[in-house]
Amino acid sequence: KQEVTQIPAALSVPEGENLVLNCSFTDSAIYNLQWFRQDPGKGLTSLLLIQSSQREQTSGRLNASLDKSSGRSTLYIAASQPGDSATYLCAVKTSNTGKLIFGQGTTLQVKP
Amino acid sequence: KAGVTQTPRYLIKTRGQQVTLSCSPISGHRSVSWYQQTPGQGLQFLFEYFSETQRNKGNFPGRFSGRQFSNSRSEMNVSTLELGDSALYLCASSKGQGRHEQYFGPGTRLTVT
Repeated sequence: KQEVTQIPAALSVPEGENLVLNCSFTDSAIYNLQWFRQDPGKGLTSLLLIQSSQREQTSGRLNASLDKSSGRSTLYIAASQPGDSATYLCAVKTSNTGKLIFGQGTTLQVKP
Repeated sequence: KAGVTQTPRYLIKTRGQQVTLSCSPISGHRSVSWYQQTPGQGLQFLFEYFSETQRNKGNFPGRFSGRQFSNSRSEMNVSTLELGDSALYLCASSKGQGRHEQYFGPGTRLTVT
């Protein structure tokens, strides 16, 4: 059974710092991995999608990597800003259906 | 291009009642998935519809059901509501099954009293 874990559960950093969020999964047989952002009480915003054949994806100040063999993904945020404060979720797709398996998320606070 | 829309955004129901939530996917998307989000359990998969057929189902009781229409819009129904059904219900759409990116709507906040 696939399980997804995100550590730490919460993180507080000063503005301008570079930071890394971690995601681990127990079964390396994944189709893809997706990182999302969720603001309080809101829906999920897709940040990056990494297919199983890819090692990393970049969008602006965000860079996500994938290491299937070790069951790990990281989301790197450069030059963090207060507007980056949110909960970040990673999710893996393990079959040819729409089902995503989510981690519990990392709540990030960036202090001005 | 409009995103995924969900209606209503907020609902308050009483135990024992039933509720229907609606989801309109991004234009051209044919797959719709539903998730329940609670503080204790996080995000859990309910079911997925593709081409009007349920393709996958999560571990939820039969009180939770859904359907998809020919225009890809989807509805989910919860009958005989329980206090534990209070949650944020999220709908996601994608172009199809397989490796496509999923896009989420703003959710429907259901409160059962």
